[in-house]
Amino acid sequence: EVQLLESGGDLVQPGGSLRLSCVASGFTFSNHAMNWVRQAPGKGLEWVSSITGYGGNTYSADSVKGRFTISRDNSKNTLSLQMDSLRADDTAVYYCAKESVGASTPAPHFDYWGQGTLVTVSS
Amino acid sequence: DIQMTQSPSSLSASVGDRVTITCRASQSITNYLNWYQQKPGKAPKLLIYAASSLQSGVPSRFSGSGSGTDFTLTINSLQPEDFATYYCQQSWSTPRTFGQGTKVEIK
Repeated sequence: EVQLLESGGDLVQPGGSLRLSCVASGFTFSNHAMNWVRQAPGKGLEWVSSITGYGGNTYSADSVKGRFTISRDNSKNTLSLQMDSLRADDTAVYYCAKESVGASTPAPHFDYWGQGTLVTVSS
Repeated sequence: DIQMTQSPSSLSASVGDRVTITCRASQSITNYLNWYQQKPGKAPKLLIYAASSLQSGVPSRFSGSGSGTDFTLTINSLQPEDFATYYCQQSWSTPRTFGQGTKVEIK
């Protein structure tokens, strides 16, 4: 059974830092790109960042570029998001999501999601 | 960036109704379009990927269609557990943008 378990969410002051983790199980972690997606209170889904299976390539939304860093440790089946220079508008539930491609079509999709971890940026 | 626009933003429907949600991309994304369902306080759940492929375990009353820029999610015979918010997402390019969501409410 695929499981994704996020942790690290907390209340942090503006300008502060936080590190989120997502521990994966039930699949071959290194075979899959992984993503972070966030959802501000009462708002829609926003893709934040992604990393390829062996960590060779990373991508981030313009809203977090230069402040957030995605990484992974395949030996520990762990995805991380280092969040620096946090702002009030970073307040959200952060989800990690496993990316897959179909057997007959290469279209990537997020087939499993964690339960989310809440980050609150406030003084 | 590719913009995804869903319509309507919300709708009211009754159990047993057929519901259609549309999603339009700002440029062609071939069939790189996914649909997710989210219930309050829960993580999103994948329903449809590659525009029309049903994710394993998802009831067959859900179906997707479209290609290029225009896509549709259809729920045949709406069930009580289907009242939720639905999001489309393009995976043609990064950023992997989502639509703004469509909330399906009970009439």
